[in-house]
Amino acid sequence: AQSVTQPDIHITVSEGASLELRCNYSYGATPYLFWYVQSPGQGLQLLLKYFSGDTLVQGIKGFEAEFKRSQSSFNLRKPSVHWSDAAEYFCAVARGDSSYKLIFGSGTRLLVRP
Amino acid sequence: EADIYQTPRYLVIGTGKKITLECSQTMGHDKMYWYQQDPGMELHLIHYSYGVNSTEKGDLSSESTVSRIRTEHFPLTLESARPSHTSQYLCASSGRWNTEAFFGQGTRLTVV
Repeated sequence: AQSVTQPDIHITVSEGASLELRCNYSYGATPYLFWYVQSPGQGLQLLLKYFSGDTLVQGIKGFEAEFKRSQSSFNLRKPSVHWSDAAEYFCAVARGDSSYKLIFGSGTRLLVRP
Repeated sequence: EADIYQTPRYLVIGTGKKITLECSQTMGHDKMYWYQQDPGMELHLIHYSYGVNSTEKGDLSSESTVSRIRTEHFPLTLESARPSHTSQYLCASSGRWNTEAFFGQGTRLTVV
């Protein structure tokens, strides 16, 4: 069965600093991978996705992520964090077939210091 | 833009009451999902549907039930609410070709 691990529960960075959020997945074949962001009391917004092709994907709000098959990872990065980036970030994996169930990691809460 | 709507946004209800959480999408998506999320915690898939008259239980056992009579509508029902049902419930939908899921804003349920 597929699963997603986000090893960092909380991360605190200073505004303007770079950011990397870790995500590892477990799945036998090439999965579909996603990063979502959730602001307090809100639903989830898609930041970016990987289905195939170029392993470095660009998303909204200046985020990018890199798929590394050898490490089963899909880490999210941003070169310069803004205070408005403070939120909960979820990595998710879906099977690349018709059964498509989206499974989420436990999330990483990002705090931004002024 | 996502066109998926959940009502109500907030609900406080007494133990033993029957409730239905509404979820509708206007994107014509085949697949719809219900997730349960406790505050600050991960999302757990409790129900999903691949189309009309198709419903399946998710990875987390839930006492709720769902129905899919129309493509655009995927309501979730609790026959007898209990305090353990207090949580946030998120509805999502996705298109035929395994594109990303779009989420509603959630219903925060409190059972007292």
